[in-house]
Amino acid sequence: GQQLNQSPQSMFIQEGEDVSMNCTSSSIFNTWLWYKQDPGEGPVLLIALYKAGELTSNGRLTAQFGITRKDSFLNISASIPSDVGIYFCAGRDDKIIFGKGTRLHILP
Amino acid sequence: GAVVSQHPSWVICKSGTSVKIECRSLDFQATTMFWYRQFPKQSLMLMATSNEGSKATYEQGVEKDKFLINHASLTLSTLTVTSAHPEDSSFYICSAWDRGKSGEQYFGPGTRLTVT
Repeated sequence: GQQLNQSPQSMFIQEGEDVSMNCTSSSIFNTWLWYKQDPGEGPVLLIALYKAGELTSNGRLTAQFGITRKDSFLNISASIPSDVGIYFCAGRDDKIIFGKGTRLHILP
Repeated sequence: GAVVSQHPSWVICKSGTSVKIECRSLDFQATTMFWYRQFPKQSLMLMATSNEGSKATYEQGVEKDKFLINHASLTLSTLTVTSAHPEDSSFYICSAWDRGKSGEQYFGPGTRLTVT
């Protein structure tokens, strides 16, 4: 079946630093999605990417849909404490398949 | 934005009993809903696709007789965990596909199931 490899698994950064995480797939997706999940809650959509090569921003977040349609990255600039949480990449065709997640920790 | 609700938000049940979880799309009609399960510190794993008016499609390894799905209306899908066991304890999350307006899938807040 389809698999998504997301890295890194976790990150420890200082407030104000930039963050980068990425996702690769064994197969092609028509849509790439990035979600954030806070503890005990459902995932919330951050950015949706619909075309290969597309670069999309949402505030301090920027994500790109890889040219091969098998990868995507998410960047967060100037991290703040509320950015803490788990970030999931996801690929979608007729259903959404999630990556394993990146846990973001911000050091005091 | 579109809202998806789940009920209950948490439930504790005894081993051997059945539990029903509801997923509702509040401001759009959803012909397709999805059910996911998430174990602690793990990702969301798709269990099944729920289609209004027809049988659900289950992912490989998910027992359809144990996890009964009913999508009886355009705004409601239910997941019933039958004869629950402690290993069924998990966070169950649904999502609903708004094919009409936004084309996006929206996730519910999840239901924490604990089987004692």
